[in-house]
Amino acid sequence: QQQVKQSPQSLIVQKGGIPIINCAYENTAFDYFPWYQQFPGKGPALLIAIRPDVSEKKEGRFTISFNKSAKQFSLHIMDSQPGDSATYFCAATLGADGLTFGKGTHLIIQP
Amino acid sequence: DTEVTQTPKHLVMGMTNKKSLKCEQHMGHRAMYWYKQKAKKPPELMFVYSYEKLSINESVPSRFSPECPNSSLLNLHLHALQPEDSALYLCASSVRQNTGELFFGEGSRLTVL
Repeated sequence: QQQVKQSPQSLIVQKGGIPIINCAYENTAFDYFPWYQQFPGKGPALLIAIRPDVSEKKEGRFTISFNKSAKQFSLHIMDSQPGDSATYFCAATLGADGLTFGKGTHLIIQP
Repeated sequence: DTEVTQTPKHLVMGMTNKKSLKCEQHMGHRAMYWYKQKAKKPPELMFVYSYEKLSINESVPSRFSPECPNSSLLNLHLHALQPEDSALYLCASSVRQNTGELFFGEGSRLTVL
């Protein structure tokens, strides 16, 4: 079964720190790697995404780093704020097969 | 309009009831999805519609019956559910099926008694 392995399961960071969430995948045919952010009581929302031919992508305070040879990618949140507290899911897609989600990281940013 | 609207937000039903969840989008997206999400778990794909035709059914029990009346609407008909079916049901849409850029609704919280 195609899998995306995500770690850590939970993470607590002080305001202003840089939380890092890591994901690893097995299927080299995956062609798109989005991250979704979900607040309690809400649906997931697309945060940032990257294709495997790019090593890094930045959007505001959010950065994806992608290591194709290691089959790993990670999300960094710069200058983290309490409002960033949420559950973050990495994911991967393969054609029309839909999203394969990681298990999620519950992130808490302490004031 | 960049929203996916789901109704109702909350639903409580008995195991013998018949109810429906509704989803609407006006972004012109041609792919629509139903996901099921349990607490502290990632969303699990149930069904995908592409151009109003059922494209993927992830071996979902027949007590869940999807319907796509037109390109903007998606329904999920529920009948004879079990307590373990209690979950957050998420609708999503995308421009087309083979993209990872999904727009999710806020979900319908279903409780089966």
